[in-house]
Amino acid sequence: NAGVTQTPKFQVLKTGQSMTLQCAQDMNHEYMSWYRQDPGMGLRLIHYSVGAGITDQGEVPNGYNVSRSTTEDFPLRLLSAAPSQTSVYFCASSLNEGAAFFGQGTRLTVV
Amino acid sequence: GESVGLHLPTLSVQEGDNSIINCAYSNSASDYFIWYKQESGKGPQFIIDIRSNMDKRQGQRVTVLLNKTVKHLSLQIAATQPGDSAVYFCAERSGATNKLIFGTGTLLAVQP
Repeated sequence: NAGVTQTPKFQVLKTGQSMTLQCAQDMNHEYMSWYRQDPGMGLRLIHYSVGAGITDQGEVPNGYNVSRSTTEDFPLRLLSAAPSQTSVYFCASSLNEGAAFFGQGTRLTVV
Repeated sequence: GESVGLHLPTLSVQEGDNSIINCAYSNSASDYFIWYKQESGKGPQFIIDIRSNMDKRQGQRVTVLLNKTVKHLSLQIAATQPGDSAVYFCAERSGATNKLIFGTGTLLAVQP
């Protein structure tokens, strides 16, 4: 039981490049979400999903896409990276009524 | 331009003292609350949770208090240890939206 696994741990992108941050969980959780955390700040919700095939926007969705084709996986796509997207990204999963469990994060730098 | 990151509120305590970390939440419809601990370079780690039909819940060395009248949440840590040094976040969830929204966090610094 690995919990929530995020890859990669570190990534450097050039402005305008696209990439996908991977997130997988093996706990059969219905609910998955993506957050970004900027220095000295809390976590802000980007997108979330309440089950396979269902996604919705969080507080800061612009510039990001998600899909949920399986219960286990919830990838986050950056369409055209911008320096403002430099941040640490966390994926989380939970049973709908329970606490969210987080991955270890992906540290993204856009130059 | 990009926004400037805010300095986190900091609570400095002596080892062995009790710590109280406070959080004000915004949504009166929130029905579930969680406290997380985040150590440097790691993801948030679940500490304790409480539902809105309760006003107090205790764990091992930690207690969460909920005051729905003033929309206030607190985390009490007994006999604070150096390993408790971290950033602590409260989070609220509304059953209507199922979104988990985080507060800005408090840095707990434990002095030996």
